[in-house]
Amino acid sequence: AQKVTQAQTEISVVEKEDVTLDCVYETRDTTYYLFWYKQPPSGELVFLIRRNSFDEQNEISGRYSWNFQKSTSSFNFTITASQVVDSAVYFCALRDYTGNQFYFGTGTSLTVIP
Amino acid sequence: DVKVTQSSRYLVKRTGEKVFLECVQDMDHENMFWYRQDPGLGLRLIYFSYDVKMKEKGDIPEGYSVSREKKERFSLILESASTNQTSMYLCASSRASGSNNEQFFGPGTRLTVL
Repeated sequence: AQKVTQAQTEISVVEKEDVTLDCVYETRDTTYYLFWYKQPPSGELVFLIRRNSFDEQNEISGRYSWNFQKSTSSFNFTITASQVVDSAVYFCALRDYTGNQFYFGTGTSLTVIP
Repeated sequence: DVKVTQSSRYLVKRTGEKVFLECVQDMDHENMFWYRQDPGLGLRLIYFSYDVKMKEKGDIPEGYSVSREKKERFSLILESASTNQTSMYLCASSRASGSNNEQFFGPGTRLTVL
């Protein structure tokens, strides 16, 4: 069965600190997709990144970076030099190639303190 | 700019009322989804639809029904609203299975049942 676990419920950091949000997934499929979404206080989920199961290259986009490791079934998200605008709930999600459903973790609420 | 729109941002209803939540997408997506979001529980799938007039139950379909008469529109119906259905409701759409596309989310409807 598919499952996504985000063990960190809430994290608080001081501005300019680095922070890593953990995501561990379970699936029996060999082809699947992983996603990260950001939900700011306004409520709308914003897509951040997609990663295919056959592409284990890490990705960096500005202050954001993602570390995908199939060996540990993890897809972790790091924010470097955090800013107050990064305060949000972050969701990790999984989708199998053959399925229509997306499986979401329970989210990690990040608070960046000025 | 691609869009998923929801009919209301905030809604207040009374117990026993029939409630309609409407969602429209303009991306010609095959799949549409309804989630509810509650603190500490993340996103829980209520129903999804993979084609016009087709639907599948998600994790928590009890007390809800859906309608998809046109490809771009997916309605969530609360036949007789109850206070435990007070929640944030999120609509999303995506391409069909076999695609690596992400879900696109609407802004959400915060429903309060009194």
